[in-house]
Amino acid sequence: SQQGEEDPQALSIQEGENATMNCSYKTSINNLQWYRQNSGRGLVHLILIRSNEREKHSGRLRVTLDTSKKSSSLLITASRAADTASYFCATDAKGAQKLVFGQGTRLTINP
Amino acid sequence: DARVTQTPRHKVTEMGQEVTMRCQPILGHNTVFWYRQTMMQGLELLAYFRNRAPLDDSGMPKDRFSAEMPDATLATLKIQPSEPRDSAVYFCASGLWDYSPLHFGNGTRLTVT
Repeated sequence: SQQGEEDPQALSIQEGENATMNCSYKTSINNLQWYRQNSGRGLVHLILIRSNEREKHSGRLRVTLDTSKKSSSLLITASRAADTASYFCATDAKGAQKLVFGQGTRLTINP
Repeated sequence: DARVTQTPRHKVTEMGQEVTMRCQPILGHNTVFWYRQTMMQGLELLAYFRNRAPLDDSGMPKDRFSAEMPDATLATLKIQPSEPRDSAVYFCASGLWDYSPLHFGNGTRLTVT
């Protein structure tokens, strides 16, 4: 499958620090999306970056995409306790018309 | 705020019983996805629909799982007979168009004993 893989699997930082999560995938994509999941809840869409874009910002979130390396990163700046959650990247292979998720990064923000 | 609604939120059943999970997608969304989440496998795509037509159900065990959209406001996922290995959280998600951001329900936590 062309499932994305997040790295690291778990990340624990202090409140106020920046958190960086990475995602690698296997085949050409139309776009890449990042989602957040709080414990016991469904996933919530954060940001979508198209294959012809290299960087995108949304509030404290910054996403980069390197299609030559088939990788993306999600940066959360000035982290807050409320950012504690699991973060997933999701990709759709060209021609596949379906969204496939990685295993996720579990982020813990310590107060 | 429009949201995807899933019922039931929790289901405990015995092995061999039929389980039906329901999903009400957001009105106007034309794609519906079913995912299963476990600690070991993560999020697995089971099936997805566009305009109520099934496009891909290759992720589902065909002998026991079935997914349908009887109308635009209801998607169902059935397991018959259920097995302990089916224990997981099942998510429904809907979207406006292919590749668009998905809106997830809060899932059905299924426990098969």
